[in-house]
Amino acid sequence: KQEVTQIPAALSVPEGENLVLNCSFTDSAIYNLQWFRQDPGKGLTSLLLIQSSQREQTSGRLNASLDKSSGRSTLYIAASQPGDSATYLCAVSFDDYKLSFGAGTTVTVRA
Amino acid sequence: EAGVVQSPRYKIIEKKQPVAFWCNPISGHNTLYWYRQNLGQGPELLIRYENEEAVDDSQLPKDRFSAERLKGVDSTLKIQPAELGDSAVYLCASSLRSGRFSGNTIYFGEGSWLTVV
Repeated sequence: KQEVTQIPAALSVPEGENLVLNCSFTDSAIYNLQWFRQDPGKGLTSLLLIQSSQREQTSGRLNASLDKSSGRSTLYIAASQPGDSATYLCAVSFDDYKLSFGAGTTVTVRA
Repeated sequence: EAGVVQSPRYKIIEKKQPVAFWCNPISGHNTLYWYRQNLGQGPELLIRYENEEAVDDSQLPKDRFSAERLKGVDSTLKIQPAELGDSAVYLCASSLRSGRFSGNTIYFGEGSWLTVV
């Protein structure tokens, strides 16, 4: 079974510290990987999409890397702010269509 | 541009009662998904539509769940009868298209929160 794992399940950091969120997956033959943000009581918002041929994607303070050979992706959030507090989910496309999600990392940024 | 719209946002029902959720995807999006998210877990796909055709319903519990997407736009997900274990968030999502190497961003609605008592 193709699995996506996110560790740790929760993370608390002081404002201004850089965030590093990890995602690992069991099968290196992926099509793409996405990082989503979910606020309490809300749906998911796509943050970054990395195609299998890419090694990283950047958007503002966010940078996501992809290492297929080791089955890992890392989401970096620079200079964290209280507004970054949310749950971050990693989703991997192992086949043409279906996304397999991790359980997420819940981030709290303390002011 | 309006996002994916879902209703109702919250529903509390007694077990064995029916419930239905409605989804309006982003205009022009051919692919529509229904996901279920249990507390503390990531979403899991229930069904995927390409226009009005259900092309992947392998994870849909067909004994009690049904879905339809008339005219390839809005979609309805129904549970009848509901069980205690169905308590979850039901997320609708859409994308322009799906398929090999499409890499399309998926847009999610805010979800329909179901509690079965």
